[in-house]
Amino acid sequence: GEDVEQSLFLSVREGDSSVINCTYTDSSSTYLYWYKQEPGAGLQLLTYIFSNMDMKQDQRLTVLLNKKDKHLSLRIADTQTGDSAIYFCAESITGGFKTIFGAGTRLFVKA
Amino acid sequence: GAVVSQHPSRVICKSGTSVKIECRSLDFQATTMFWYRQFPKQSLMLMATSNEGSKATYEQGVEKDKFLINHASLTLSTLTVTSAHPEDSSFYICSARDQVAGETYEQYFGPGTRLTVT
Repeated sequence: GEDVEQSLFLSVREGDSSVINCTYTDSSSTYLYWYKQEPGAGLQLLTYIFSNMDMKQDQRLTVLLNKKDKHLSLRIADTQTGDSAIYFCAESITGGFKTIFGAGTRLFVKA
Repeated sequence: GAVVSQHPSRVICKSGTSVKIECRSLDFQATTMFWYRQFPKQSLMLMATSNEGSKATYEQGVEKDKFLINHASLTLSTLTVTSAHPEDSSFYICSARDQVAGETYEQYFGPGTRLTVT
């Protein structure tokens, strides 16, 4: 069935890079997303990658996709305290109509 | 970017009463809206998919008579929690898909509504 898994917690020092990993099971995924959720708020789309791409870079964010291993990662360069949040990996399936979310990785940035 | 609003942001109600939550797409037309439920420190659970002018499609295990969804216009969907119980207390988030935005199938999320049933 459809499943998205990610580690639950990551702690880094301010200025270091953060790498959040995700694995998914549905090989028919069309888009893969990274969302950010701050406490008490909704989800903010950070970036997405189409399934036929290997990498996408957007300022401090780099997304890597290994379609063979069904592995997605989000790298945040020069992590700041404001990056502390929960990051959700998500895959879009069934022709892009339904989105399945992982459990979220809580990123804690130490000053 | 596209904006989705929810109202109210927080609501406290007594057990047995009903609560209505509104989800609006402010600057685009959303033929499809989604309702999610999020428990503390957990992921989003899709409850139902709402299509304008038709009945909502509920996910397995979600009671359609308890969680009434109405999508009467291209910019508004409502979720009514009927006969609320304390176990219905949760964070409810809606999202809307902008079908005109191209092929990214991007979903725009509302800020969420925290429901507390006492």
